[in-house]
Amino acid sequence: AQTVTQSQPEMSVQEAETVTLSCTYDTSENNYYLFWYKQPPSRQMILVIRQEAYKQQNATENRFSVNFQKAAKSFSLKISDSQLGDTAMYFCAFREYGNKLVFGAGTILRVKS
Amino acid sequence: NAGVTQTPKFQVLKTGQSMTLQCAQDMNHEYMSWYRQDPGMGLRLIHYSVGAGITDQGEVPNGYNVSRSTTEDFPLRLLSAAPSQTSVYFCASSFGGTGTYEQYFGPGTRLTVT
Repeated sequence: AQTVTQSQPEMSVQEAETVTLSCTYDTSENNYYLFWYKQPPSRQMILVIRQEAYKQQNATENRFSVNFQKAAKSFSLKISDSQLGDTAMYFCAFREYGNKLVFGAGTILRVKS
Repeated sequence: NAGVTQTPKFQVLKTGQSMTLQCAQDMNHEYMSWYRQDPGMGLRLIHYSVGAGITDQGEVPNGYNVSRSTTEDFPLRLLSAAPSQTSVYFCASSFGGTGTYEQYFGPGTRLTVT
């Protein structure tokens, strides 16, 4: 079974600065998909970014980018120019067959003004 | 489109009571899933379905029942509520296949069992 580990329970960053959230995973599959989800205090789950394992290029969505290291099974999220609205819980997730997701425990990110 | 809807948003049950959490989607998605979210544990899969009439267990299925009689609806039944089932429950849906189909989540149901 796949496992996903987020080793940073909480992080904080000053507004406009850059922060990186860590995620490692374990799988024996060669082709798979990884995701970062954001959960603000409203509780709604919002997809931030996705990465296909067979693509070597790191995914980017505006201020959000990933550092995908397939051999190391590492999938970190970088948030540039942090904004107060980025304050949320962030979950790393691995997609299994049937589009089932295996989630990490989450990292609470607080952006300070 | 309403997307994925869940009812109720909040519920308090006494130990031993039963109830059904409702989930519906209007996007014609084949796949639907139920997750529970507990502090420090992320979201864990309870049950999932890849189409009408087809369901299977996830990581934490004990104490829960599901059925999928239509593409749109995927209710989750708690047979005899226990305090360990106090959690936030999310329903999600997506298209099937092997593409990077995004999962759409409902707003969640906060359940407290006393």
